Amino acid sequence: DAMVIQNPRYQVTQFGKPVTLSCSQTLNHNVMYWYQQKSSQAPKLLFHYYDKDFNNEADTPDNFQSRRPNTSFCFLDIRSPGLGDAAMYLCATSIDSGTDTQYFGPGTRLTVL
Amino acid sequence: QKEVEQDPGPLSVPEGAIVSLNCTYSNSAFQYFMWYRQYSRKGPELLMYTYSSGNKEDGRFTAQVDKSSKYISLFIRDSQPSDSATYLCAMSARYTGNQFYFGTGTSLTVIP
Repeated sequence: DAMVIQNPRYQVTQFGKPVTLSCSQTLNHNVMYWYQQKSSQAPKLLFHYYDKDFNNEADTPDNFQSRRPNTSFCFLDIRSPGLGDAAMYLCATSIDSGTDTQYFGPGTRLTVL
Repeated sequence: QKEVEQDPGPLSVPEGAIVSLNCTYSNSAFQYFMWYRQYSRKGPELLMYTYSSGNKEDGRFTAQVDKSSKYISLFIRDSQPSDSATYLCAMSARYTGNQFYFGTGTSLTVIP
């Protein structure tokens, strides 16, 4: 089945220790997104790639970076995680424009000690 | 004012009940409306996708959009314990580029 895969599902890191979360997709979609979702809150868009074009949301902290080396893979790097960065990180894809349905992966739950 | 408002609940209903979940929004430009279901500690799963006003039915689920009132609803008939999850509404418009606007989600529990 075509899908969005995220690894790892659970990640524990220490305060200030860099961490990388990965997302891969077999849907061959042009757009990939990274969201942060905290408990009982709506997913918050961090950034997205339209093909290789990177789009950063205005309020995404500089501590968060992303890479998309090819169509299938996208990475979220958190350079110096703080306690406030503990959250569920969701990767999503869509075929094309923002009006197209977004398909989500299972998420990576990040814990910062 | 938030772009999208959604009552967080929690909502608890007996098995077999009809469930009504709702969102209101402020931006009249929104044209595309989605409902996602999110089980605990999982990613959101698309349930319904509608364009503009009207109703759309899929099995036990009916999505309703009233653009004049800026109000969308998701109805679940014959609710099952497996429907217990958080339901997120989301919406977008052509001008928003790749931005989806999500509600905060309504937590639903269906009691056997």
